[in-house]
Amino acid sequence: DIQMTQSPSTLSASVGDRVIITCRASQTISNWLAWYQQKPGKAPKKLIYKASSIEVGVPPRFRGSGSGTEFTLTIDGLQPDDVATYFCQQFYSYPGNFGPGTKVEI
Amino acid sequence: EVHLLESGGGLVKPGGSLRLSCAASGFTFKTSAMSWVRRAPGKGLEWVSAFSGSSPRTYYADSVKGRFTISRDDSQNTLYLHMSNLRADDSATYYCAKEGNYGDFDFWGQGTLVTVSS
Repeated sequence: DIQMTQSPSTLSASVGDRVIITCRASQTISNWLAWYQQKPGKAPKKLIYKASSIEVGVPPRFRGSGSGTEFTLTIDGLQPDDVATYFCQQFYSYPGNFGPGTKVEI
Repeated sequence: EVHLLESGGGLVKPGGSLRLSCAASGFTFKTSAMSWVRRAPGKGLEWVSAFSGSSPRTYYADSVKGRFTISRDDSQNTLYLHMSNLRADDSATYYCAKEGNYGDFDFWGQGTLVTVSS
């Protein structure tokens, strides 16, 4: 199975900051990676698919990049509404393992 | 509009069984690949099981293989997860998710809570 790691596990930043979350895969997954946002008590919501394509309706301050084994999710200008846990997921092969998550606080 | 509604969660004793349901609407269910994903308190998301859309193939995480069975009723647009021999570490909120064009999950239900405790 492909293992996913994320860093940092928790991140505290100020409103307006640029925030960068890193996700790494244990083997190459090309660009078969998605990013999800999960707020407390809510279902996960897809933000980014195929590493860098933004889902319809997602604010443009969210940006995904990377390929192979290393990926980043950037939030350009953190907003109070962005407080959540962010997960990456590979869908190169079954099982579609998730990263352990990054909790973003303000 | 796509809608996924899970039900069937609750409190069950270790070794017990439970069946979760996911009622789907707003898309062509019978050709859609569907999955169950869970999140235990204080933990991350864990993919549990999947049912392909184009053929009757099923997939399971090693942690549930042999104990959980995924099934679907296309006439009722409903996905199921039959869970048996439940353990404390199966306690989690279970989400039903629809796979998108690239194998990621483009729609999620609100989840149903399963608590395994004596």
